[in-house]
Amino acid sequence: GAGVSQSPSNKVTEKGKDVELRCDPISGHTALYWYRQSLGQGLEFLIYFQGNSAPDKSGLPSDRFSAERTGGSVSTLTIQRTQQEDSAVYLCASSPGLANNEQFFGPGTRLTVL
Amino acid sequence: GESVGLHLPTLSVQEGDNSIINCAYSNSASDYFIWYKQESGKGPQFIIDIRSNMDKRQGQRVTVLLNKTVKHLSLQIAATQPGDSAVYFCAETPDSSYKLIFGSGTRLLVRP
Repeated sequence: GAGVSQSPSNKVTEKGKDVELRCDPISGHTALYWYRQSLGQGLEFLIYFQGNSAPDKSGLPSDRFSAERTGGSVSTLTIQRTQQEDSAVYLCASSPGLANNEQFFGPGTRLTVL
Repeated sequence: GESVGLHLPTLSVQEGDNSIINCAYSNSASDYFIWYKQESGKGPQFIIDIRSNMDKRQGQRVTVLLNKTVKHLSLQIAATQPGDSAVYFCAETPDSSYKLIFGSGTRLLVRP
């Protein structure tokens, strides 16, 4: 079956513009995660969705970042008024939803803010 | 604060040799650990996991060792192949939560 997909694969934008990044999780997975990976670094947790529960937004770095998940499936990560320090790879992962379950990652979206 | 880190940023090994990648963690309450492999331009790929009630787990060509006394995790790759070249991350889950805390990664280079 299909894995986690993300679009676009690459995004170049100008400072101050808004961007939307999309994640399509594995069908049937109730948990969805967003991470940010800066060059040569590990993954930084951003936000977590589980079913219909309120998302854990504790990792979002500022109020310019927001995410939603429609219908318990597709998720969109929005960055408003992008800054150069937002440049990174944004990774999405999904899991069946139980604690300690394996997270399956998408290929990521590489965001470059000029 | 809580952290997961790696001792060596880059490891170079000869094809066919065994590789050992190390990781230290600081949260003694962590009860689940995962090793991920990330190839260039791709998302992390699950390799193997281990729970805190175990000290060793084996997969295909890979073994993970957990030493809770010194809060140390290692990944052993037997008969390293060129396809094993990647960045390897350890990750921990504190207190059976859903969050993964990732280390900064070790790059494994396999010499032909």
